[in-house]
Amino acid sequence: GESVGLHLPTLSVQEGDNSIINCAYSNSASDYFIWYKQESGKGPQFIIDIRSNMDKRQGQRVTVLLNKTVKHLSLQIAATQPGDSAVYFCAEIVGGSYIPTFGRGTSLIVHP
Amino acid sequence: KAGVTQTPRYLIKTRGQQVTLSCSPISGHRSVSWYQQTPGQGLQFLFEYFSETQRNKGNFPGRFSGRQFSNSRSEMNVSTLELGDSALYLCASSTGHLSGANVLTFGAGSRLTVL
Repeated sequence: GESVGLHLPTLSVQEGDNSIINCAYSNSASDYFIWYKQESGKGPQFIIDIRSNMDKRQGQRVTVLLNKTVKHLSLQIAATQPGDSAVYFCAEIVGGSYIPTFGRGTSLIVHP
Repeated sequence: KAGVTQTPRYLIKTRGQQVTLSCSPISGHRSVSWYQQTPGQGLQFLFEYFSETQRNKGNFPGRFSGRQFSNSRSEMNVSTLELGDSALYLCASSTGHLSGANVLTFGAGSRLTVL
């Protein structure tokens, strides 16, 4: 498959473990945040989003936590599966805008 | 429903040539955004089109241009190609709502290699 990043931070976990992927965002005026997942050979795919007036949001097997004080975002994946292996990007949108700015990404490798 | 379709998937060009990439958005989506993805710079916003008008533009030189047709399909063009233009070019469509809740649906990308 195609490589989307040769110098990405990498998180390796065992199947069944919980994974936590972290993201530090840059703009204190950002008020909307999105996590995307990019599998090899594919474009990024929306996972979950959160607005700045929330500090936690849960989806199916995923939870996003937002800490505005330290401008930190995390994505927690429960019971990680081999199919979760991908590059994960956080994206921030500044208030008044609608264009997401993407972080560098984290490569998640799940070992069976 | 059909997703975002990008053509061609792969192409090889030489320096100085120009290239045109095509994107067909999800039916009903009026906004098309283009991103350049490289290992060194990550995902960089190129421009966004809505209703045939460029509504937003990133920080790329004028060699990068685009357009959108009345059926919302979009093309981007890169002229006078440079080695550094080698990248995965991603197209994303959305409803185009002017708010943060403007979730992008991406295509698989066009992988451009410049020799």
